Amino acid sequence: AIQLTQSPSSLSASVGDRVTITCRASQGMRNDLDWYQQRPGKAPKLLIYAASSLQSGVPSRFSGSVSGTYFTLTITSLQPEDFATYYCLQHYDYPWTFGQGTVVDVK
Amino acid sequence: QVHLQESGPGLVKPSQTLSLTCTVSGASISGGSYYWVWIRQPAGKGLEWIGRLYTSGSTKYNPSLKSRATISADTFRNQFSLTLNSVTAADTAVYYCANYDATWGGMDVWGEGTTVLVSS
Repeated sequence: AIQLTQSPSSLSASVGDRVTITCRASQGMRNDLDWYQQRPGKAPKLLIYAASSLQSGVPSRFSGSVSGTYFTLTITSLQPEDFATYYCLQHYDYPWTFGQGTVVDVK
Repeated sequence: QVHLQESGPGLVKPSQTLSLTCTVSGASISGGSYYWVWIRQPAGKGLEWIGRLYTSGSTKYNPSLKSRATISADTFRNQFSLTLNSVTAADTAVYYCANYDATWGGMDVWGEGTTVLVSS
């Protein structure tokens, strides 16, 4: 199974900060990775698909990129509603696997 | 607008079978290019992919479940279901159904989740 190492596991930030979260894949997998946001008690929400495509309706402050086996989610100016947990998901090979999650909380 | 809703018992006894249903509206589970997916999340932990059903009827599962999971479709009722047998306390979790767009990518529609407790 493809392992996704997501980092950091948590971070503290302030409104307006630039936030970067990384998922490192254990092998090459094209661009078959998505990013999800999960608020407490809610289902995950798709932010980015195919590594860098912004899902319709998601604010443009969210972006995704890839370099080799390193996938990055960037939030350019953190907003109050962005304090949440973020997960990456690979669907290149079975079983699909999630990263361990990154909790973004208030500094 | 696709909408998904999970349903099923909230309490299952150890060694018994967990059965959940996801009712789909706004799309046909036998049409288009979609994967119909089950995912779970133990309290305070991360997300685990359980398996998926393709519109063709093919299925894939997470080997971590040791062949205990089965995903099936009821095209008449436009539902898909998860059956997990021989459950233990480790299967206690929130279970989500989701829709993955195989054309564009990404699970853009999720159910609200249903909590299942395995306990005697």
